[in-house]
Amino acid sequence: AQKVTQAQTEISVVEKEDVTLDCVYETRDTTYYLFWYKQPPSGELVFLIRRNSFDEQNEISGRYSWNFQKSTSSFNFTITASQVVDSAVYFCAPLSGGGADGLTFGKGTHLIIQP
Amino acid sequence: KAGVTQTPRYLIKTRGQQVTLSCSPISGHRSVSWYQQTPGQGLQFLFEYFSETQRNKGNFPGRFSGRQFSNSRSEMNVSTLELGDSALYLCASSTSPQGSGTDTQYFGPGTRLTVL
Repeated sequence: AQKVTQAQTEISVVEKEDVTLDCVYETRDTTYYLFWYKQPPSGELVFLIRRNSFDEQNEISGRYSWNFQKSTSSFNFTITASQVVDSAVYFCAPLSGGGADGLTFGKGTHLIIQP
Repeated sequence: KAGVTQTPRYLIKTRGQQVTLSCSPISGHRSVSWYQQTPGQGLQFLFEYFSETQRNKGNFPGRFSGRQFSNSRSEMNVSTLELGDSALYLCASSTSPQGSGTDTQYFGPGTRLTVL
């Protein structure tokens, strides 16, 4: 089984600021997968990014970037130049153990982008 | 390509009744997973189906069941509804089984079930 902690319950920033969402995970597996999803008020979970434990580099995709630190079991997600439409609840979710427990979601971070 | 669809979007039932929710995955996806989201427990894994077989099941009572058809569409059933079953039920699909390494799950809009 895996565990995940998202310590930030709510973050509020002004539009165009950069914002980083923290995620700390626990797993005993050596091969695992990490995901970030976004849930706007409509309720649908929207896939954002994915990282495999064996990937070598951190990446940037448009305004999104992520920092995977295996030594500290952290998988932080950054939005650059935030926009009002980025307002949503963001979930970090590890997947390990061959998927036996499905995605394990954190409690989520409510991100509020103020105009 | 159309996304994951779920029907109905909203349901109101009373305690003791049963309910069936439906999920149509993205075309070509053979794995379907179900999750329950409540304010108290957050998002929790219910079960996963792949090629009409249940692969994994979360920690839920036997009142929660599901099945998958040959066209990969899936249904979940909750019998003898309880007030605590009120939740958003989310379905996700992927091309391969969870944990296989190529299995990003894409979610549908969910079915909001209210039990009175």
